[in-house]
Amino acid sequence: EDKVVQSPLSLVVHEGDTVTLNCSYEVTNFRSLLWYKQEKKAPTFLFMLTSSGIEKKSGRLSSILDKKELFSILNITATQTGDSAVYLCASSFSGTYKYIFGTGTRLKVLA
Amino acid sequence: DAEITQSPRHKITETGRQVTLACHQTWNHNNMFWYRQDLGHGLRLIHYSYGVQDTNKGEVSDGYSVSRSNTEDLPLTLESAASSQTSVYFCASSESRTGTYEQYFGPGTRLTVT
Repeated sequence: EDKVVQSPLSLVVHEGDTVTLNCSYEVTNFRSLLWYKQEKKAPTFLFMLTSSGIEKKSGRLSSILDKKELFSILNITATQTGDSAVYLCASSFSGTYKYIFGTGTRLKVLA
Repeated sequence: DAEITQSPRHKITETGRQVTLACHQTWNHNNMFWYRQDLGHGLRLIHYSYGVQDTNKGEVSDGYSVSRSNTEDLPLTLESAASSQTSVYFCASSESRTGTYEQYFGPGTRLTVT
């Protein structure tokens, strides 16, 4: 059965800390992996990863995919209270445009 | 600017009633999706469509139906609402022609079935 597992389920850090969020996947004929940030509203797109070992970066956020070990990580450096959110990862597979979502990691950044 | 909208944003209904949630996108995307989000379950796919007149069941489709008569709209119907369908519903769309596939989400509809 195809699945996406995120860890940890929740995390509390202080401003300025660096965090690493994990996403492992078991998907037949993997095509891509997406990361989203969800505050008290709709998920907003962060990154799409398709190639192993290539880091995607946007400001303090970065993500990398390991297709051999079937996981991705999302790093946030110098965290701010505005980074508090649920972070979702999702995986898709060839022959479909559907994504399977993990249950998310809830990040809380304390001032 | 292109966008994806959902209506209503909040809905309270009674058990047994038929309910329709609207989703409208102006991205001209050919793929559209409906999810429900519940604590502990993340986003679960209800139904999806890859184009006009195409609809497919997702992992939690029982009690729901969709129809796609044009590119912009994918309404979700709860045939006979049940308390287990109390949830937040998100519509999403994506484009397959450009090979990018990332999904863009609407603002969500919070549905309460009493």
